[in-house]
Amino acid sequence: EPEVTQTPSHQVTQMGQEVILRCVPISNHLYFYWYRQILGQKVEFLVSFYNNEISEKSEIFDDQFSVERPDGSNFTLKIRSTKLEDSAMYFCASTRDGNQPQHFGDGTRLSIL
Amino acid sequence: AQKVTQAQTEISVVEKEDVTLDCVYETRDTTYYLFWYKQPPSGELVFLIRRNSFDEQNEISGRYSWNFQKSTSSFNFTITASQVVDSAVYFCALSDGETSGSRLTFGEGTQLTVNP
Repeated sequence: EPEVTQTPSHQVTQMGQEVILRCVPISNHLYFYWYRQILGQKVEFLVSFYNNEISEKSEIFDDQFSVERPDGSNFTLKIRSTKLEDSAMYFCASTRDGNQPQHFGDGTRLSIL
Repeated sequence: AQKVTQAQTEISVVEKEDVTLDCVYETRDTTYYLFWYKQPPSGELVFLIRRNSFDEQNEISGRYSWNFQKSTSSFNFTITASQVVDSAVYFCALSDGETSGSRLTFGEGTQLTVNP
C-alpha cells in the first residue's frame, strides 16, 4: 500500500541553524500538510499546500517557516533559524481529495540543542 | 473556531474488557468530518475512521465501533474485548467540510493502556 515517507527520522540541530525536513507524499495525492507534535502533547496543524501554493497556515507557521514542492514529488518544510521550542515531532500528511482522510508519514523527530 | 475535547487523559483496562473513548467537538459548520487516529508507542499516526456530519449511522469494524451523535456533538469510540496491542494514544479530530483540504483539529488524545 502506498505511504507517505519522511526523512530523516531524527534530526539533531544546533539552535539558530536552518533545518529542512523532507516528505514524499503518496504519488497521486494533491493536498499536502505539515503538523507538529510537541512531546506528550496533541498534534497541531502548521500548513496546508495545494496547487503549488499555501492554502492555509496556522499562527504557529510564522516567517521562520516555509514550505516548498521543489520537484513534483518532494514536499519540504524549512525552519530558517531554529529555536529550542521547535523541538517536536513533525508529521507530513497528504490526501488525494481534500475531504478524504489524511495519510500521515512516520514523522521526523527534531531535536534542537 | 473548531475545538475537540477528549476529557479522558488516560485509561487503563485489563485485557478483554470493553473500553469507550469519549470525544466531544465544537464547530459552527454544518458540514464537517470527524476522524479517529491511533498513535502506537512507535509514534506514527494511523487512520482509523472518518465520518461526515450527515451520516449518523454507527459503524462497526471488527472489535472497533463508533457512535456519532450530532445532538450531543459526540463521536465516541469503543473497543470490544481489548487486547494489549490496542495500547496507544487515540486522537479524535475534526475538519471543516466547507473548505476542501482544510486542516485537522485534534483533541488532546487519550492514552489507553491494556494490561495482560
